[in-house]
Amino acid sequence: NAGVTQTPKFQVLKTGQSMTLQCAQDMNHEYMSWYRQDPGMGLRLIHYSVGAGITDQGEVPNGYNVSRSTTEDFPLRLLSAAPSQTSVYFCASSLGFAAGEVGTEAFFGQGTRLTVV
Amino acid sequence: ELKVEQNPLFLSMQEGKNYTIYCNYSTTSDRLYWYRQDPGKSLESLFVLLSNGAVKQEGRLMASLDTKARLSTLHITAAVHDLSATYFCAVLPTWGSQGNLIFGKGTKLSVKP
Repeated sequence: NAGVTQTPKFQVLKTGQSMTLQCAQDMNHEYMSWYRQDPGMGLRLIHYSVGAGITDQGEVPNGYNVSRSTTEDFPLRLLSAAPSQTSVYFCASSLGFAAGEVGTEAFFGQGTRLTVV
Repeated sequence: ELKVEQNPLFLSMQEGKNYTIYCNYSTTSDRLYWYRQDPGKSLESLFVLLSNGAVKQEGRLMASLDTKARLSTLHITAAVHDLSATYFCAVLPTWGSQGNLIFGKGTKLSVKP
């Protein structure tokens, strides 16, 4: 059971380039989300999805796009990379509210360290 | 605005000492989570606290939740070097968050011999 898998682990982009961070989970979780982690800022929510075909914005969505065509996958797209998007990105998944009280515990991937130059 | 505040943000301890990390939050919630993060690694779930008065213990760590005071504590007993990490609390608001966890900024713990 792999859990939450993110690729790549490291990436360097030039300003203006686009790329997709991949996230896949094999736990049949309905709920998936993307966070970015910056020093001294904790984790901030970028986008989330409560199920296939449903996505919504979090706290810091600008410059990012998501889609959820399957339960397993939740890719994050950087449309035109900027140095302000240099960060560590984490994908997380959980069973969601429908699973009851413990379902909202989030399981995290290993992270993608992105540098935009 | 939903806020989750941890203090201290940095904590340097000597081995064998006790200390408490505090997590205050500004909204109604009856679900709180503690995570541990080692440098360059992902977040590992430590505790899930689901009701007022909940207390959970694992080894030298004990977490508690007071939903009326909107406060959770993570108590470290007789610290050892292996506990050095960053600890995050995360709150699931009762409403308004669409099921998203709101994280504190983290407490970076360093345990020295």
